Parts: sequence; C-alpha cells; structure tokens
Amino acid sequence: NAGVTQTPKFRILKIGQSMTLQCAQDMNHNYMYWYRQDPGMGLKLIYYSVGAGITDKGEVPNGYNVSRSTTEDFPLRLELAAPSQTSVYFCASSYQTRGGEAFFGQGTRLTVV
Amino acid sequence: TQLLEQSPQFLSIQEGENLTVYCNSSSVFSSLQWYRQEPGEGPVLLVTVVTGGEVKKLKRLTFQFGDARKDSSLHITAAQPGDTGLYLCAGGQGGSEKLVFGKGTKLTVNP
Repeated sequence: NAGVTQTPKFRILKIGQSMTLQCAQDMNHNYMYWYRQDPGMGLKLIYYSVGAGITDKGEVPNGYNVSRSTTEDFPLRLELAAPSQTSVYFCASSYQTRGGEAFFGQGTRLTVV
Repeated sequence: TQLLEQSPQFLSIQEGENLTVYCNSSSVFSSLQWYRQEPGEGPVLLVTVVTGGEVKKLKRLTFQFGDARKDSSLHITAAQPGDTGLYLCAGGQGGSEKLVFGKGTKLTVNP
C-alpha cells in the first residue's frame, strides 16, 4: 500500500520556468490537500479538493493552480516560478476532513533560483 | 493572520522533564488534531479530539480539547530524546472543508 506518493522529491527551477508537482493516492480518499512549508514554519494550505472535479483555494493560492480529474491524482502547477515559491511542498489526503486523519506524502523540496 | 496559534514556538528541555504545548484560536473547531513531524518527513497524526473538554492519553502524551472547542494542549510526561520533533496542531472549522495548521512547536529533548 503506497499511500500518498509525490514526485519529484527535489527540483531546482529557474525564475519564470513552469513545472507540475505530482501527487497520487491509492486509498480512495475524497479529500486532498496541497501545503507548503517554509523553514521553521508550519504548513500553509495552498489548494484543496473535496472530490474529483471540485477544487478550492486555501490560505496562499497565488502563483499556483490545481486540477482534480480523478479521485487518485491532484497535481499542483506552478506557472511562472518565483524565488518566493522556494519551499517544501506536501500533498495530503483524507477520508474526511472533520476528524479524519490526513496522510502525507514525503514532500517535494523546490528551489527557485 | 494565523488561525491557529501555537506556543511556545521552540522548546529545549532535558530528558525526564515534563512539558506542555498549547494551540489556541479565536474560532470554534469541530475537531482538532495533533501531528508530529520529523526532519525530511511529512507529519504523522498523533490524535484527534472532537468533544469539548475531551482528554485523550497516548502513553506519556496527554491531549486536551478546551470546553469551548477553541484551544487544545499537549502534555508530555518524562520527555525522552525520541520525543524530539515538530508538533503541529490542525483544525477543520465547522462548515469548512479546509484543514489548517498552526506554525508548530519545535521540541528538542536533550539526553
């Protein structure tokens, strides 16, 4: 049982480049989340989804886009990378949000230079 | 504005000491969760509290949810070096599907 799988684990981008962070879960969870974690800080919610075809903004959505075409996949798109987007990105999934355990991937460490 | 405020931000103690960390909000939460994160890893759930006034114990860890469901605390008895990590509280507000986190408390337990 793989749980939540994120790819890539590490990436260096130049300013202005674009990339997609992949996230897949095999637990048939409806809820999926993208967070970013800056050094020494907690997690800030970027986008979330309550099911296929439904997404909504979190606390810090600017500069990012998401899509949810299937229950399993929830990719995060950075269109024009900026140094402020240097961070560790975590994807998570949950069976339910109210009291439901969130399972996290291993994270993607992104550096924008 | 941080929806969930955690304190202290950093805590360094000796093995065997007791400690309490706090998670406070001005908002009411339908539930609060505590996670522990180790370097290079994603957070892992420790406990979920749902009912106001609820107390849950997990070995040497005691979690409490405030009566008004706006705050929570985590108490560790006789801390061990293996307790070292970042402790995060998270909440799903009633009526909202967002799961938001506090900034965390970074705990270091020295042998």
